[in-house]
Amino acid sequence: LAKTTQPISMDSYEGQEVNITCSHNNIATNDYITWYQQFPSQGPRFIIQGYKTKVTNEVASLFIPADRKSSTLSLPRVSLSDTAVYYCLLDQNTGFQKLVFGTGTRLLVSP
Amino acid sequence: EPEVTQTPSHQVTQMGQEVILRCVPISNHLYFYWYRQILGQKVEFLVSFYNNEISEKSEIFDDQFSVERPDGSNFTLKIRSTKLEDSAMYFCASSSRGNTEAFFGQGTRLTVV
Repeated sequence: LAKTTQPISMDSYEGQEVNITCSHNNIATNDYITWYQQFPSQGPRFIIQGYKTKVTNEVASLFIPADRKSSTLSLPRVSLSDTAVYYCLLDQNTGFQKLVFGTGTRLLVSP
Repeated sequence: EPEVTQTPSHQVTQMGQEVILRCVPISNHLYFYWYRQILGQKVEFLVSFYNNEISEKSEIFDDQFSVERPDGSNFTLKIRSTKLEDSAMYFCASSSRGNTEAFFGQGTRLTVV
C-alpha cells in the first residue's frame, strides 16, 4: 500500500494562501489523490480529489505534477475556521472506499 | 445538504458490556463504513459493508465486532464485550459508490470504564 508523507504542522495567518504538500513516491497507476479535513471531535470531511494536473473547486485547488509522486493542496485566503487537520490519502481503485489515514497536517491559522 | 447521523453522540459503558452504535447513512448511498479514532491518534478503518455483507474488514475488527443493516436505513456497529482499549471516537461513513467521496458522521464517543 503506497504511503503518503506530509508535514506534521503548519502555521499561517488569516488571508494568506496555504499550500500543503504531500509526497507519495510509490503511487500506483489506479490511485487517486484525495484530501480530507478534520476539525476536533468531528468526522473527516472530503475536500478535493484528483488524478493528474490541476483540480479546483469552491474550497481548494489540488496541483499534481506529471510524475504524480507528490501533490499540493492550496487553500486560498485562509480564515480562522480553516484551522484543522488535513489528510492526504490515496484511494485504492478497489470499488470500496477503504481510506487509509496518516497523521495529517495540523494547520493553525492565527489572526 | 444530506448528512450521516450517528447516535448517541457519547456513550459510557462498563468493561465487558455490549454496546451498539447507530448510524443513519445518506439515503441513496450503497456503501457503508465504520472507522474509529483513539484520542490523539489516526483515523483507522474498521469495516466496509455493501449489498448486505461485509466487503472488507481490518485486523481491528475481530470477533467482538459485528455490523448490521437491520431495516434498510440504519447501520449499526456492535461491540459484544467492550474493553478499555475500545474507548475511541467511532465514525460511520457512507458513499454512493466506491472510490468517490465518503461522507462521515459526527461520531460517537465511546468511553469504556
